[in-house]
Amino acid sequence: ETGVTQSPTHLIKTRGQQVTLRCSSQSGHNTVSWYQQALGQGPQFIFQYYREEENGRGNFPPRFSGLQFPNYSSELNVNALELDDSALYLCASSSGGHTQYFGPGTRLTVL
Amino acid sequence: GNSVTQMEGPVTLSEEAFLTINCTYTATGYPSLFWYVQYPGEGLQLLLKATKADDKGSNKGFEATYRKETTSFHLEKGSVQVSDSAVYFCALSSTTDSWGKFQFGAGTQVVVTP
Repeated sequence: ETGVTQSPTHLIKTRGQQVTLRCSSQSGHNTVSWYQQALGQGPQFIFQYYREEENGRGNFPPRFSGLQFPNYSSELNVNALELDDSALYLCASSSGGHTQYFGPGTRLTVL
Repeated sequence: GNSVTQMEGPVTLSEEAFLTINCTYTATGYPSLFWYVQYPGEGLQLLLKATKADDKGSNKGFEATYRKETTSFHLEKGSVQVSDSAVYFCALSSTTDSWGKFQFGAGTQVVVTP
């Protein structure tokens, strides 16, 4: 069974740029959630996708957007990057229950 | 809204010592409760969970009991090893909220010395 994978591992961008992060869910999982984890803090919920539809959103501005594809993989897009967007971005997948399984994360640095 | 409060770290222990990390929560309805562990440079790994009151989750020598009366889910391990050094996160998932929206505590760093 393949776990949750994310790409890229690390990314460096400058203010104002746009970024796309990718996530492949665990086999058999139809739900993907994205979290932002700033240094020294707990993860904060960004949004969740279930069967290609957004299914819940946290307190993040519209410049954070996402997609889910028919194979349940997902993308997180962030436009107009700000310095405070520097964080570890975590993807988690689940299927029909509350337990979420996390990927290794993408470390985004905005300069 | 829902929230999770856990004890601040770092918690520094000697090998074979007893570990307790306190976690309390505020939630509507009947949340499921989780402990995740994060090793340096890695994502979160599920350590254990409990889905209803009085349930005890356990894994790798760690235990936590879902106490509805005290709204707590404290993590314990009887004898820690150096390999247990990590950051531990308490989290809840509420049945009255989007069930994908995990609410995490701020994390507790545990350092185990030989």
